[in-house]
Amino acid sequence: SQTIHQWPATLVQPVGSPLSLECTVEGTSNPNLYWYRQAAGRGLQLLFYSVGIGQISSEVPQNLSASRPQDRQFILSSKKLLLSDSGFYLCAWSAPPTGTHQETQYFGPGTRLLVL
Amino acid sequence: AQTVTQSQPEMSVQEAETVTLSCTYDTSESNYYLFWYKQPPSRQMILVIRQEAYKQQNATENRFSVNFQKAAKSFSLKISDSQLGDTAMYFCAFMKPSLYNFNKFYFGSGTKLNVKP
Repeated sequence: SQTIHQWPATLVQPVGSPLSLECTVEGTSNPNLYWYRQAAGRGLQLLFYSVGIGQISSEVPQNLSASRPQDRQFILSSKKLLLSDSGFYLCAWSAPPTGTHQETQYFGPGTRLLVL
Repeated sequence: AQTVTQSQPEMSVQEAETVTLSCTYDTSESNYYLFWYKQPPSRQMILVIRQEAYKQQNATENRFSVNFQKAAKSFSLKISDSQLGDTAMYFCAFMKPSLYNFNKFYFGSGTKLNVKP
């Protein structure tokens, strides 16, 4: 079965510090990977998605970047955090169009980020 | 572009009663998928139910069922015999399958459901 992990679960960082959030998926190959941000009590904002190693697409210009160094690893980064980067970050995966369960997106447990 | 609208920001229901959450979407596509996700206070997003647009039969998962009206572009979620554990934010989502590599999901703004004892 497939599982998705995110860490850290919670992070408190000062403004101007760097950020690295990691997401890994097990039990599947060549997944589509996604990073979302959710502000408190709000909906999901798609930040980045990736269809393969080294292939990253950004949905909104911002202070963040993403990388996919391995097939099942997706990293969200920032060189200098802003107060507005605070939020709940969710990683998700779905199978590629040729895979099974390609129509469903599965989410990780999320990372709570507080920038002070 | 596809849009998903959840017009009920917050709802309440008594335990053991039935509640219906509304969702409408806008698309020109004929082949797509619709989902309801649940986000409890832990904030883990959990898939509740999935509907394929080409299927006329409404999806059902135990106490959860949907009323899928394709012509009206409506996809409501009915929760029967509500339980305290159903208290959560519920998100409606739309996905159009891609012929290439990327399936983009569109989410509504969510409905906060409070189940009262």
